[in-house]
Amino acid sequence: QKEVEQDPGPLSVPEGAIVSLNCTYSNSAFQYFMWYRQYSRKGPELLMYTYSSGNKEDGRFTAQVDKSSKYISLFIRDSQPSDSATYLCAMRDTNAGKSTFGDGTTLTVKP
Amino acid sequence: KAGVTQTPRYLIKTRGQQVTLSCSPISGHRSVSWYQQTPGQGLQFLFEYFSETQRNKGNFPGRFSGRQFSNSRSEMNVSTLELGDSALYLCASRQTENTEAFFGQGTRLTVV
Repeated sequence: QKEVEQDPGPLSVPEGAIVSLNCTYSNSAFQYFMWYRQYSRKGPELLMYTYSSGNKEDGRFTAQVDKSSKYISLFIRDSQPSDSATYLCAMRDTNAGKSTFGDGTTLTVKP
Repeated sequence: KAGVTQTPRYLIKTRGQQVTLSCSPISGHRSVSWYQQTPGQGLQFLFEYFSETQRNKGNFPGRFSGRQFSNSRSEMNVSTLELGDSALYLCASRQTENTEAFFGQGTRLTVV
């Protein structure tokens, strides 16, 4: 079983919809949780970086971490066609010096 | 502030050859990580360096090696290239072990 499982998608939504992207993990050593957005043929771009359980908001993006359930989510409000990309969740074990990524969810927002 | 710079951006090599990829981290960042990204396997961890020391290594054969220099720049080397090594190789830098990581645009390696 993989340490990080990400809802596979693909996901297709109309413009303006609320999008929910989800990951679960099994390694209790993970301390930091990240979401990246990756456009085709580009490097991943950091969207959110969180440490504690709870919500963190940045514009239209909200990251949610539930350490007790080992579950993280990214919500995108008022989705735009420019949000169409692959979204990657990532978890970091600082002591081990290693970050583990989910396989990604491809999102398409239709005008 | 300049981002993470990876060179070259594209590379075509023949099976059996070796290749060296370079990564210049964001100024002031002391940690560099390398990843291999393929459509079938996603983002796979290769190595992480902090202040010239390798902190961790992923499950890749010994043909994959890396190092970090005193100016934090890093290189990775793949020897005896195989067709399956064709991938996007990504480098990420972070200021310390606990801070967020920023990726470069990657080096797309094609082995023919």
